[in-house]
Amino acid sequence: VTLLEQNPRWRLVPRGQAVNLRCILKNSQYPWMSWYQQDLQKQLQWLFTLRSPGDKEVKSLPGADYLATRVTDTELRLQVANMSQGRTLYCTCSGQGYSGNTLYFGEGSRLIVV
Amino acid sequence: GQQVQQSPASLVLQEGENAELQCNFSSTATRLQWFYQHPGGRLVSLFYNPSGTKHTGRLTSTTVTNERRSSLHISSSQTTDSGTYFCAISVSNTNKVVFGTGTRLQVLP
Repeated sequence: VTLLEQNPRWRLVPRGQAVNLRCILKNSQYPWMSWYQQDLQKQLQWLFTLRSPGDKEVKSLPGADYLATRVTDTELRLQVANMSQGRTLYCTCSGQGYSGNTLYFGEGSRLIVV
Repeated sequence: GQQVQQSPASLVLQEGENAELQCNFSSTATRLQWFYQHPGGRLVSLFYNPSGTKHTGRLTSTTVTNERRSSLHISSSQTTDSGTYFCAISVSNTNKVVFGTGTRLQVLP
């Protein structure tokens, strides 16, 4: 059973251009939604956890700037800007925050800088 | 900050051999989970195992929290076990999860 739907699944991103990613939650039992990045060396890194509609956060990491928004109870978005190296962004969901709960991953959105 | 070390970094087995993957972490306040990443990229949870031993099929996870370590045992490996295995811990009172660098497993026919 698919809990999360991410799109796009991949995108060629011209250097300097921003890209918008979307994640749709299919099961309301797992309302804690997060974004993770996986770099070209396969290292996974937590970015954000947003629980409530209207929540927003920004973060700058080596190689990209991020703006995450919890749009609704079922939709999480991520804007990726100033990306200098490719990466894959994963959406996740879990119940009642991470404590005591399994983390479920979406299929990922692979971004390739051109 | 929290650190998670995994070993070995990579492992090559012949089909049928067993594997033992190790995870060491820097804090006793953990909620440890093991993940498997398919060669194509999909990540799936194998175990949520903050302490003790859990089994599923040919996989066994043992976490000894006060010794800050966890292991993943794969018995009678199959070629379809090939991929990367990650352990991850949560940071207390936050939603932050810290991942290890992974163990890349290749099982040869």
